[in-house]
Amino acid sequence: EIVLTQSPGTLSLSPGERATLSCRASQSVSSSYLAWYQQKPGQAPRLLIYGASSRATGIPDRFSGSGSGTDFTLTISRLEPEDFAVYYCQQYGSSPPLFTFGPGTKVDIK
Amino acid sequence: QVQLVESGGGVVQPGGSLRLSCAASGFTFSSYGMHWVRQAPGKGLEWVAFIRYDGSNKYYADSVKGRFTISRDNSKNTLYLQMNSLRAEDTAVYYCAKDPARIRYSMGYFDYWGQGTLVTVSS
Repeated sequence: EIVLTQSPGTLSLSPGERATLSCRASQSVSSSYLAWYQQKPGQAPRLLIYGASSRATGIPDRFSGSGSGTDFTLTISRLEPEDFAVYYCQQYGSSPPLFTFGPGTKVDIK
Repeated sequence: QVQLVESGGGVVQPGGSLRLSCAASGFTFSSYGMHWVRQAPGKGLEWVAFIRYDGSNKYYADSVKGRFTISRDNSKNTLYLQMNSLRAEDTAVYYCAKDPARIRYSMGYFDYWGQGTLVTVSS
């Protein structure tokens, strides 16, 4: 079973700054099956990125995803006040179908 | 627009049972796989179960296998999760989530989520 590790656990930044979040897998992950979600307190998660680098519908272009193999990155180019939240990466393994989340990175206001 | 509305949560004693429902609208429910994902209080996300668009295949996390059953009624646009032999560690908000794969196995992610329903297992 693939284990996802996210770092840092917490990222303290100011609005306007760049955020770089890391997701590392214990084994190689197909880029097609790596996604990122944003979750704000009391809300459901929202899909940001799928296929490692494709933005979901309605997601601003300040969010971008990259990476391959075991190392993936979510970048927020300029933090807006509404971007302070917890971010999860997630991977899919197909045999048998298994969906695994990382522990999350909290982006909070410095 | 896609809407997923969960219901059926509540407080249940250890060893008890509960059935969750998820009412779907805004898309052709019978064409898409569906999932349940849960989140314990203050914790991260955990995938629970997946059912293909036609109910032909079902998959479960090891933590719930043999105790939970996912099902769907495409005539009612509704997804279900029957939870038996509940344990304290099953306490969580349960979300239903849509798979973007149309008449396919799975795209491997969740494109729409409901707002969740809280299940508390406690004596």
